[in-house]
Amino acid sequence: LAKTTQPISMDSYEGQEVNITCSHNNIATNDYITWYQQFPSQGPRFIIQGYKTKVTNEVASLFIPADRKSSTLSLPRVSLSDTAVYYCLVGDDYGGATNKLIFGTGTLLAVQP
Amino acid sequence: SAVISQKPSRDICQRGTSLTIQCQVDSQVTMMFWYRQQPGQSLTLIATANQGSEATYESGFVIDKFPISRPNLTFSTLTVSNLSPEDSSIYLCSVVSLGADTQYFGPGTRLTVL
Repeated sequence: LAKTTQPISMDSYEGQEVNITCSHNNIATNDYITWYQQFPSQGPRFIIQGYKTKVTNEVASLFIPADRKSSTLSLPRVSLSDTAVYYCLVGDDYGGATNKLIFGTGTLLAVQP
Repeated sequence: SAVISQKPSRDICQRGTSLTIQCQVDSQVTMMFWYRQQPGQSLTLIATANQGSEATYESGFVIDKFPISRPNLTFSTLTVSNLSPEDSSIYLCSVVSLGADTQYFGPGTRLTVL
């Protein structure tokens, strides 16, 4: 199973762009990269998923270099409500079936006024 | 995405008893998982709930302690048996919908063992 490494915590201010980088040196060919957001006492919320290059949705962008050994979650113009733990995960593919996700430590993003 | 509910949302139990947690999805899903999140920690996968057969447990988790049922494609239960204070955690189910490749999580069940 691919292991992920990300910073334990990050600080930012409202209105800034935040980039959280995750390392996954042992990512397998079939693995996708998925990011989740978790607020206290809630289940993780899906943010974005990608395989290579760049993926963008209404919430965030995900940048994945060609070697796929890392990925960067980009949150544009964060607000106080973006204060949460962000998890980067890579899946373990079971013959094309969907992934069993193994969570790392996550990054606690604290957004200040 | 599928709408996932868990019951109960929270409970306080006595040592030595058991708690059964239900996970209900509003549509058919291919895979269901159970996770544990201890206070201040990340999520740990307990098992994959297999429809119509025994669950697949991760290292460190056993069926006697965490029996799981999945009688159909929209429902699963996790029982935490012989409770001790160390079992105090949030328990979450997650699902993958038919034709999708993304896991979605339920709201969690907060268990406190006295």
